[in-house]
This record gives sequence, C-alpha cells and structure tokens, in this order.
Amino acid sequence: GIQVEQSPPDLILQEGANSTLRCNFSDSVNNLQWFHQNPWGQLINLFYIPSGTKQNGRLSATTVATERYSLLYISSSQTTDSGVYFCAVRGGTSYGKLTFGQGTILTVHP
Amino acid sequence: KAGVTQTPRYLIKTRGQQVTLSCSPISGHRSVSWYQQTPGQGLQFLFEYFSETQRNKGNFPGRFSGRQFSNSRSEMNVSTLELGDSALYLCASSLAPLAGGTDTQYFGPGTRLTVL
Repeated sequence: GIQVEQSPPDLILQEGANSTLRCNFSDSVNNLQWFHQNPWGQLINLFYIPSGTKQNGRLSATTVATERYSLLYISSSQTTDSGVYFCAVRGGTSYGKLTFGQGTILTVHP
Repeated sequence: KAGVTQTPRYLIKTRGQQVTLSCSPISGHRSVSWYQQTPGQGLQFLFEYFSETQRNKGNFPGRFSGRQFSNSRSEMNVSTLELGDSALYLCASSLAPLAGGTDTQYFGPGTRLTVL
C-alpha cells in the first residue's frame, strides 16, 4: 500500500518563528489532507490539497503531485499552533481510506 | 451545519466484553470511515461504509465490525475486547461525490476506549 513519511518528527519553536513541515508519499494520490490534532484528540481539517497551493491566514500548503510531496507552512507561530500535524493521503480507488503519516509534533514556546 | 458526532466520548470496559460505538455524519454525507489511533501504530483505517455497504476494510481481525444505517449513521462493534484494543476511535464522514469533486473527510471528536 501507499507509504507516507512526515518530517521532522518533532519541532520546537519560539513564538513568532516560521516553520515548514514536509510529507512524502510513495504513489500517486487523489486526496491529500493536512490535519492538526488538538490536545483532546480532535482532528481539525487544515487543507484538502491533492495538488497546487492554498493559503488560509498564517497557514499555507503546497503539493507537488508529480514529485510526490506536500509542504505545510506555518508563519508567525503562536502557542495555540502547538499539537500534532498529520498528512493523510488516498490513492487509486481505495474508498474512504486515508493513509496517515506518523505526524509532526510541534511545540511553540512563548 | 453540525459536525460529525460520536458517542460515547469515553468508555471503560474489561477484557472479554464487547462494545458498540456510534457515529453520526455531517448532514448530506454518505460515506463514513472509521479509524483507530494508538501511540504505537498511529492512525489506522478500519473500514468505510457507503449506502449501507462496506466498500473497504483495513487489516483488522474479524472482532472489529461495523454497519451503516439508511440515514448514514454508523456503528462499529468490537467483540471479545483485548487490552490492545485500548485506543482513540475516530469516525470521519465525506460527501463521496460520484462524479469527481473534492472528497474531504471531516472527523468527529472520537471515542476513547480503555480496556482493563
């Protein structure tokens, strides 16, 4: 099946810093989503981005499908950005099945 | 529009018991998927239902089963619970458009199951 690797596994920042999270995947995909998991376990949708570039406030994402990677940019980090960020992909006709990376644990210090 | 809801939010069971978890999708969404999250294995796909039919299944033993009702609500059942079944169980819903379009999955808050 499709493999998803996220890097870095851990990231520690000071408030105000910028960061880039990376997601590599092993095969072509027709769905790629970025999530932020809050301390209570809820997965919050950040982007649906199987290709191209999107921006939402301080967050933006780019997926280069031909090279099989996606990047999530967080600018001017805030303490509330702390948590785990997941990339998840779906390939082919794998109905409903998102394959998740292991996540990046982001800690933003004041 | 209300989000995905899951009940109960927390559950404590003992080994050998069975458990049923419930998921109500976003109104109009026809596909419901279930995932298990553990510290060791991460987020893993259990199964997906669409129009009351299981279309896809992950690599879990037969003790894990599910169903979907005509109103798209879904339940998953775990029989003969084992200690390793302790996990956060997440449900997601999507529109599942038949003719392309975005197929974003939206997740519920999860049910945290503890098996003693």
